[in-house]
Amino acid sequence: QQQVKQSPQSLIVQKGGISIINCAYENTAFDYFPWYQQFPGKGPALLIAIRPDVSEKKEGRFTISFNKSAKQFSLHIMDSQPGDSATYFCAASTSGNTPLVFGKGTRLSVIA
Amino acid sequence: NAGVTQTPKFRVLKTGQSMTLLCAQDMNHEYMYWYRQDPGMGLRLIHYSVGEGTTAKGEVPDGYNVSRLKKQNFLLGLESAAPSQTSVYFCASGRQVQPQHFGDGTRLSIL
Repeated sequence: QQQVKQSPQSLIVQKGGISIINCAYENTAFDYFPWYQQFPGKGPALLIAIRPDVSEKKEGRFTISFNKSAKQFSLHIMDSQPGDSATYFCAASTSGNTPLVFGKGTRLSVIA
Repeated sequence: NAGVTQTPKFRVLKTGQSMTLLCAQDMNHEYMYWYRQDPGMGLRLIHYSVGEGTTAKGEVPDGYNVSRLKKQNFLLGLESAAPSQTSVYFCASGRQVQPQHFGDGTRLSIL
């Protein structure tokens, strides 16, 4: 059973556009929702994370939007740049010693 | 700062051979993890550790063993390698249960 469903699998965005990646979850006990960015040949890097007490968190051009009632969260990349081309993973976990569950990833390509 | 260092970076094995992947972190993190990454499958947790001397099973533990004898090191062993274990393996560490830092991976091919 896939606990975190991520879409789309791949995404092509024009430079300067908005990239949007969505994730949905089933387990209402999840209370931590991070996003990771992975460049080819490298390990994932923690990008931004949100907890369900807020509906949005912004860090620079990256924003997480969280909809608790719909059990969905999304990553928005404003003014997308070619350097943002990478694979993005959403994840979720519960408080305590429960490890993260990852989505399957979205390969983003930003073209000039 | 080295962060999380994985050794080796590449390895080719024959079916049935054994090997150990080494992960070292220099951030004094309590939590360490081993993941495998396969095309279209995302990151799947193999085993993890919540502190020195502890280990726990993740989502796909079969065929793997781990040890955390020292806080800074987390070893992943394959006792009898199978072609299905061909993958990219990532080690990660963190102060809390969520991984904060990943290594750059070990690319393992089993023929």
